[in-house]
Amino acid sequence: RKEVEQDPGPFNVPEGATVAFNCTYSNSASQSFFWYRQDCRKEPKLLMSVYSSGNEDGRFTAQLNRASQYISLLIRDSKLSDSATYLCVVTTDSWGKLQFGAGTQVVVTP
Amino acid sequence: GAVVSQHPSWVICKSGTSVKIECRSLDFQATTMFWYRQFPKQSLMLMATSNEGSKATYEQGVEKDKFLINHASLTLSTLTVTSAHPEDSSFYICSAPNLGGTTGELFFGEGSRLTVL
Repeated sequence: RKEVEQDPGPFNVPEGATVAFNCTYSNSASQSFFWYRQDCRKEPKLLMSVYSSGNEDGRFTAQLNRASQYISLLIRDSKLSDSATYLCVVTTDSWGKLQFGAGTQVVVTP
Repeated sequence: GAVVSQHPSWVICKSGTSVKIECRSLDFQATTMFWYRQFPKQSLMLMATSNEGSKATYEQGVEKDKFLINHASLTLSTLTVTSAHPEDSSFYICSAPNLGGTTGELFFGEGSRLTVL
């Protein structure tokens, strides 16, 4: 079983709609959680950290469910520029133990 | 924010040759850099941790004699793929940790796409 699992998608979303997807992790000792965005053939870039109480950054909302060991990302009012692959990253607070998911592809259509 | 520059972005080489990839931190000092590899549709896999002034730490299954890492200064780490073969074709990305931030925040280089013919 992979340590971090994501639905690869693609999630095809009409512009202006809302899309949400999850990421599950297997290590219950995981402490820090992040969402990164990766455009096609580009390097990943940090989108947002995920806090225990959940957090919002503009149109993006991240949630953490420790009991069920998953994090989620919700994108409201989707823009064409939101089309990308979203990587879930989990760590037990050791730099060498960052675990990346394979990513969820989101395609926003006009 | 901090910038990590990686070069070359693309490289095509013949089987058996060696390829060097450079990773530079442009506006900060990086005592540690991470080298990842990503195959299509797969997650980033940590290959090794590069430490300035000391030997790199390799992950299990990564051949240290094949993937030579040198971190000679606080702003430069290099990865040399020696005697490259087609199965080494991949996207190689370096990154530096944001030590002033939360563990897990990485500054990535632009990546190097290696194609071995």
